[in-house]
Amino acid sequence: LAKTTQPISMDSYEGQEVNITCSHNNIATNDYITWYQQFPSQGPRFIIQGYKTKVTNEVASLFIPADRKSSTLSLPRVSLSDTAVYYCLVGDSRANAGNMLTFGGGTRLMVKP
Amino acid sequence: DVKVTQSSRYLVKRTGEKVFLECVQDMDHENMFWYRQDPGLGLRLIYFSYDVKMKEKGDIPEGYSVSREKKERFSLILESASTNQTSMYLCASSLPGQNNYGYTFGSGTRLTVV
Repeated sequence: LAKTTQPISMDSYEGQEVNITCSHNNIATNDYITWYQQFPSQGPRFIIQGYKTKVTNEVASLFIPADRKSSTLSLPRVSLSDTAVYYCLVGDSRANAGNMLTFGGGTRLMVKP
Repeated sequence: DVKVTQSSRYLVKRTGEKVFLECVQDMDHENMFWYRQDPGLGLRLIYFSYDVKMKEKGDIPEGYSVSREKKERFSLILESASTNQTSMYLCASSLPGQNNYGYTFGSGTRLTVV
C-alpha cells in the first residue's frame, strides 16, 4: 500500500474551512484515496473516497490533482464536534484477501470556540 | 442501521490469562479484521479473515490467534495475556473487492492487562 504523509496536528476555529493535505507520492494507477475520521474511544468512520479531480458529499470535499500525488480533505465551516483524528489512506480497491487498510498516524484536528 | 459489535467496551485481565475478544457484524461481509491502536503507533493490523475458517496474519500477529467459525463472528484470542497487550482493539468488516470505504469499524475494546 502506498505510504502517506499528513500533518500530525492542526488547529482551527468554529466556522472556518479546514483543509488537510495528504502526500502519497508513490500512488499506483489502481489506488483510491480514502479518508476516515476517528473520535476518541470510537472506531474510524468513513468520510470520503476518490480517485481523481473532486468528490463532494454532505460531510466533506476531496480534491485530487491530476498527478494524484497528493490530496486535500476540505471540511467546510467546522464545528467543535469535528475535533477528531483524520486518516488518509491509499490502496488498491481491487485487492482481495481482505483489502487491508494501513493506517498512518493521522492528523489530529482541534476545533476551538 | 448496520453495525459491527464488539462484545466489551472495557476489559481488565491478569497476566497469563486467556482472553477472548468477540466481534459480530450484521452486514453479511466476507472480510473481517482485527486492529490494535496504541498512542503514537496508529492502527496496526493483527489478523484478518476473508472467509469462514480462513485467516491471514497481519503486521503484528505474535501473541494472538483468531477464530472464524461463522461468517458474522470473528474472535481474537490472546493465548496468554501480557502487559504489552494492553491496548485498544478494533474490529472491522468489509465486502471483498470493494473500495476501501467498505470498512465498518466497531467501537473498540479497551483491554488492560495487569
